[in-house]
Amino acid sequence: NAGVTQTPKFQVLKTGQSMTLQCAQDMNHNSMYWYRQDPGMGLRLIYYSASEGTTDKGEVPNGYNVSRLNKREFSLRLESAAPSQTSVYFCASSGTGVNQPQHFGDGTRLSIL
Amino acid sequence: GQQVMQIPQYQHVQEGEDFTTYCNSSTTLSNIQWYKQRPGGHPVFLIQLVKSGEVKKQKRLTFQFGEAKKNSSLHITATQTTDVGTYFCAGPKGSGYALNFGKGTSLLVTP
Repeated sequence: NAGVTQTPKFQVLKTGQSMTLQCAQDMNHNSMYWYRQDPGMGLRLIYYSASEGTTDKGEVPNGYNVSRLNKREFSLRLESAAPSQTSVYFCASSGTGVNQPQHFGDGTRLSIL
Repeated sequence: GQQVMQIPQYQHVQEGEDFTTYCNSSTTLSNIQWYKQRPGGHPVFLIQLVKSGEVKKQKRLTFQFGEAKKNSSLHITATQTTDVGTYFCAGPKGSGYALNFGKGTSLLVTP
């Protein structure tokens, strides 16, 4: 059982390049999330999708876009990467309803030069 | 929006010593969740507390939810090197689908 799968695991970009981070879950979860994690800052929510067909901004949405492609997949796009977006990106999913535990992927380590 | 504050930010203990991390919110929380992240790993759900004054135990880990549902704690008895990692608390954000994570407490255990 794979759980939450993120690709790629590592990526280096140049400033101004674009990139899409992929996330898929096989737990039939309704809700999916994108976080970034920086040293000393904890986990900050970028965007989330409470259910298929909906997306909402989190704490730090600027510079990012998301697509909930179907129930399984939730992608995060950086249109014009900036060094400030160097971070570890985690995708997570949770089951039906509010206050559900979240299951995280292994993360994507993204460096922008 | 709702914020959860966690202290301390770091804790270094000798193996066998106890450890406690605290989580505080300025508003009443409907529930609180705790996660552990090993170095280089991803956060893993540990437990959820819902009731006022609730206490739950997982082996050497004891989780408490305050009577006012504004604070919570995680206590580890007799730490082991396997306890190394960052412990996060998280409270519901807005409608409850999303979470507000604290900044975490990083625990280092020296043998």
